[in-house]
Amino acid sequence: KNQVEQSPQSLIILEGKNCTLQCNYTVSPFSNLRWYKQDTGRGPVSLTIMTFSENTKSNGRYTATLDADTKQSSLHITASQLSDSASYICVVRGGGGFKTIFGAGTRLFVKA
Amino acid sequence: EAQVTQNPRYLITVTGKKLTVTCSQNMNHEYMSWYRQDPGLGLRQIYYSMNVEVTDKGDVPEGYKVSRKEKRNFPLILESPSPNQTSLYFCASSLRRTGFNNTEAFFGQGTRLTVV
Repeated sequence: KNQVEQSPQSLIILEGKNCTLQCNYTVSPFSNLRWYKQDTGRGPVSLTIMTFSENTKSNGRYTATLDADTKQSSLHITASQLSDSASYICVVRGGGGFKTIFGAGTRLFVKA
Repeated sequence: EAQVTQNPRYLITVTGKKLTVTCSQNMNHEYMSWYRQDPGLGLRQIYYSMNVEVTDKGDVPEGYKVSRKEKRNFPLILESPSPNQTSLYFCASSLRRTGFNNTEAFFGQGTRLTVV
């Protein structure tokens, strides 16, 4: 079954600290993996997208990695800011018919 | 400004009363889709449209209808809403089907629907 699982479910960190969010998937065949940031009450906004041949992609303080062999991805946030408080959603495209499969998200709280 | 606009943002309705949530994009995108987001379940696709007059079911289409008469508009119709359709709904658009040619998907601001 094509699934995307994210961990942890929620995370609290202090402002200025780094953190890493995890995404494991069982989607096959694989097309691409995207990380979205979703602020409370707003629509998701794309942070990074990676295809099979890419193993790292950065967007400012956000760095995503992809290991297509182990079917794992991570999103690393450097020097967190209060505005990083949001849900981070891992989305994998693939499977039969090239479906778009969403993870349930990780809720990040950055405290002052 | 490039955007996807949904209306209304909030809606409370009663069981069985037909309603329509509108979605409009100004980017000349071919691909549009509707999702619902429920706690712990992530976003689930309801319907999608590859282009004008081309629509298809997503993962959870029961109880919903859509139409794509114009490229920019993709309304979501609930003919007879039920309480289990209480959810947060998002419309999204992309130049092509998300992932094909890796085009970015733009999401609307969401519509919070409560059916009592």
